[in-house]
Amino acid sequence: NAGVTQTPKFRILKIGQSMTLQCTQDMNHNYMYWYRQDPGMGLKLIYYSVGAGITDKGEVPNGYNVSRSTTEDFPLRLELAAPSQTSVYFCASSSGVGGSGGNEQYFGPGTRLTVT
Amino acid sequence: GQQLNQSPQSMFIQEGEDVSMNCTSSSIFNTWLWYKQDPGEGPVLLIALYKAGELTSNGRLTAQFGITRKDSFLNISASIPSDVGIYFCAGRGNFNKFYFGSGTKLNVKP
Repeated sequence: NAGVTQTPKFRILKIGQSMTLQCTQDMNHNYMYWYRQDPGMGLKLIYYSVGAGITDKGEVPNGYNVSRSTTEDFPLRLELAAPSQTSVYFCASSSGVGGSGGNEQYFGPGTRLTVT
Repeated sequence: GQQLNQSPQSMFIQEGEDVSMNCTSSSIFNTWLWYKQDPGEGPVLLIALYKAGELTSNGRLTAQFGITRKDSFLNISASIPSDVGIYFCAGRGNFNKFYFGSGTKLNVKP
């Protein structure tokens, strides 16, 4: 059971370039999330999804797009990279089922992105 | 968005000492979670709390879900060097969205 996996681990982008951060989970979780973590800060929610085909904005969605065509995958797209998007990006998943165990979130190892 | 205030921001303690950190929110939550993050890694779940007043332990860690549902605390007893890291609280709000505190950085001197 791999849990939540993310690729790549590191990436350097030039201003204006685009890229997709990949996230896959093998726990059959309904809910998936993308967060960014700036140095010395907590996690800010970018986008989340409650199931295949359904996505919604979080606290800081500007400059990002997502899609959820399958239960397992939740890629995050940066179209025109800006220095303000330099951060560590974490993907997470949750089953969303009520009661104990269903409301816990599990995280991937992160993607460290630098935009110069 | 919902605000979570986590304190203290950082702590420097001696090995063997007990540690306490807490989190308060402007809104009520249905679930409180505590995570630990090591450098270069994603957060790892330590304890999950589901009912107001609930007190749950995981080894040397104990956490409580406040009666008002707007706060939670985490205690670590008899700290050891591997406890070093950043501890985050998180609350689960509507639509299964999670909100995170800014973290407590724990340093343990051997």
